[in-house]
Amino acid sequence: DAKTTQPPSMDCAEGRAANLPCNHSTISGNEYVYWYRQIHSQGPQYIIHGLKNNETNEMASLIITEDRKSSTLILPHATLRDTAVYYCIVRVAVEYGGATNKLIFGTGTLLAVQP
Amino acid sequence: GAGVSQSPSNKVTEKGKDVELRCDPISGHTALYWYRQSLGQGLEFLIYFQGNSAPDKSGLPSDRFSAERTGGSVSTLTIQRTQQEDSAVYLCASSWGREYNEQFFGPGTRLTVL
Repeated sequence: DAKTTQPPSMDCAEGRAANLPCNHSTISGNEYVYWYRQIHSQGPQYIIHGLKNNETNEMASLIITEDRKSSTLILPHATLRDTAVYYCIVRVAVEYGGATNKLIFGTGTLLAVQP
Repeated sequence: GAGVSQSPSNKVTEKGKDVELRCDPISGHTALYWYRQSLGQGLEFLIYFQGNSAPDKSGLPSDRFSAERTGGSVSTLTIQRTQQEDSAVYLCASSWGREYNEQFFGPGTRLTVL
């Protein structure tokens, strides 16, 4: 799976948009970009994933550059409850032949939402 | 609906003892995963089940670690002769299977080996 690079930490004011970047310059054509987050003392939580088109759901938006070498997770109106470590993971969505769907977590970005 | 549950939530044991950690996945999820999270290593994959078989055990750190899954549901992770470096939060996740890759995580079991 492709390696990802994220800033170790970011701050965001409550109510403002949080934009979390991720670089994945070695991504392959069949690899998706996934985002998970982990709030303190909880298990990771899926946020969103995409291949090449921008995606939006009730939690966030995912913007993937045209060359797919980087992406940005956008939380449109950050709240204090969004303070968490955000993980960008790049991997194939479906593997066959008994292969695994394991997630390989990097170090993520600690997003601190300030009141 | 009910999410992934794990028990116990906390476990303190003495070095050399065996421990069993339990995971109840979301009903109907065919895929089950074990991860662990420790201060020095971050979040790391241990083992993956599809049904009752484990096609990927590549993350198990030693032969002291084993896991099984019965009835395509409950899974048990066993650590024999625990060592202090086994201290970590052990997380279980489940998903619908290969076509659905959103993994739902449980709250974890915090294991402390004294």
